[in-house]
Amino acid sequence: GAVVSQHPSRVICKSGTSVKIECRSLDFQATTMFWYRQFPKQSLMLMATSNEGSKATYEQGVEKDKFLINHASLTLSTLTVTSAHPEDSSFYICSATKTASYEQYFGPGTRLTVT
Amino acid sequence: GDSVTQMEGPVTLSEEAFLTINCTYTATGYPSLFWYVQYPGEGLQLLLKATKADDKGSNKGFEATYRKETTSFHLEKGSVQVSDSAVYFCALGASNTGKLIFGQGTTLQVKP
Repeated sequence: GAVVSQHPSRVICKSGTSVKIECRSLDFQATTMFWYRQFPKQSLMLMATSNEGSKATYEQGVEKDKFLINHASLTLSTLTVTSAHPEDSSFYICSATKTASYEQYFGPGTRLTVT
Repeated sequence: GDSVTQMEGPVTLSEEAFLTINCTYTATGYPSLFWYVQYPGEGLQLLLKATKADDKGSNKGFEATYRKETTSFHLEKGSVQVSDSAVYFCALGASNTGKLIFGQGTTLQVKP
């Protein structure tokens, strides 16, 4: 199998606080994990690519200091939204790839609401 | 750069109707092509894929053929069900980076 989980599934936080979202590959080792953001009724926007043990590669226009990504092990990557604002409210989705494979397995997503 | 274009939705069909969702792509190299489905409030699930020209991906009654000559990967199903109501995304897997490039998504609504 290739199961990816995310936690939490939903989170509400106050403006100015930080929120951490976890992405785990449950039954395989993920050499690469991707973080996406999805706005209502829109496609997925790739935010960053994360490789275990190295710094994440951010897409153009994504603030690396605001969206901190850590990929400390082959089964876990975290996305921390720092000093969140209402405009950061979105659906965040992670995906993971197995070694030597380009196929991505997606997590169920995390709905972030910043009040 | 690489890109994917899907037909705009929403697509509204009656149950048991024939479905086609068009997808065309622009790419360098030899990408893999995917269709993902997203049910309300959920993440993406891989529906089917094709890794080279003339391959046909199929799953749950859906199918799509990788057409290099027309740079297309249209999704079809012979008889849709209400439970097929979802957003469908066509995606291209860039052969050099492994990144997925998504189309804008097409919402399908099937009415009983």
